[in-house]
Order: sequence, then structure tokens, then C-alpha cells
Amino acid sequence: DGGITQSPKYLFRKEGQNVTLSCEQNLNHDAMYWYRQDPGQGLRLIYYSQIVNDFQKGDIAEGYSVSREKKESFPLTVTSAQKNPTAFYLCASRTDYNSPLHFGNGTRLTVT
Amino acid sequence: DQQVKQNSPSLSVQEGRISILNCDYTNSMFDYFLWYKKYPAEGPTFLISISSIKDKNEDGRFTVFLNKSAKHLSLHIVPSQPGDSAVYFCAASARTGGFKTIFGAGTRLFVKA
Repeated sequence: DGGITQSPKYLFRKEGQNVTLSCEQNLNHDAMYWYRQDPGQGLRLIYYSQIVNDFQKGDIAEGYSVSREKKESFPLTVTSAQKNPTAFYLCASRTDYNSPLHFGNGTRLTVT
Repeated sequence: DQQVKQNSPSLSVQEGRISILNCDYTNSMFDYFLWYKKYPAEGPTFLISISSIKDKNEDGRFTVFLNKSAKHLSLHIVPSQPGDSAVYFCAASARTGGFKTIFGAGTRLFVKA
């Protein structure tokens, strides 16, 4: 079955540590996205990538980094510079512009 | 600056009646709009979309209306069912800057049996 896999489902880290969230898709989609959701809030765009080896900052990119070395993979690193990293992180992809985003099931990151 | 706004945090509707969820946007570069349904601790599920060249798109019980001059879109669910209870997000995309897609804050819909 084609889809987007985010792993792990739950992730715990100590403050000051960098952590990388995995996002893999086998849908052959060109564009990929990372969003963050905080309790009671909407989805805020962190980074997005239209094609391999290219990505743009979203509205809340500070403290995060990404890479897009392969079409199917778009890992997100939450660095120690991110002030409030505890959140629910969602990865998405889409095949072209006039098509919907397909989402993974998310990773809940807790930093203590 | 919120480019996509859903001003109603929640909406309660009786089963069988119409649910109307509203969304406003500010960026005139947005030309593709989507609605998603989301349950806690899961990824959003796509419901319906509309391109800016249309003013209405219908899929079963779901209809999306777009008013470009008012920069407003709405999702109509008829008839509403208890299983429709969830958080609904609208989203808007712009071709400039590489398919940037922005979501609203969401509206929680309660459908009462």
C-alpha cells in the first residue's frame, strides 16, 4: 500500500538534544511538507520542498532544519535552538499543485 | 499574520441538519483551496478541494463554495451525521514559492444525535 510513514509515533528527548523525525513516502510525490500542531491550535508550516535538493522555510522554521536528498524522504531535525519543541509533528506530500496533501499519522515529540 | 482564518473555534449541529464551516483568507495569490477532517493524534484526512477558477465543488454530502471577491470559502455538510464530529481545517495553496500551503486554526464540529 502506498502512503506516508512517520516514525516513531512517540518520541521523548531531553532538553538541549537535537532530534530527527523521519518521514518516508512511497507515493512518488514530488512535494513534501512538515507541519506542527500544538494543543487546540491549527497546523503551522515549518518547511516544505517542491523537488529533491530544494526546500523553503515555512512560517515557523526557526530552530528546525530539513534535507531533501531523496524524493521519498524528508527528515526534520528539531534542534536545541527550538524554544518550544514539544508538539505533534505532521508530514505530508502531494503529487502536483492541483492535488491534495496526503498526511502521515504524525509523531508526538515530548522534550523535558 | 494569519493568512488563513477560521474564526469559529466550534460549531454544534443537530443530526440531519446542515453544517456550515467558514474560512477567510488574505493572500490573493492563493488559488487552490482544500478542506480536511482531523481526529486527535491522527493525520488530517482530505475531504474536498476547489480551484479558484470555480465557485462550487460538490462531492456527496460535502460542498465547498468559493467567493474570490470576498476571499471567503465555506464547507457545507448535508445531512450532518454524528460521525462527522471532528476538527475541520481549511487550507490554501499558492504556486509562488514552491506550492506553499497554509492551514487555518480549525473548527471543531459537534453533531448531536
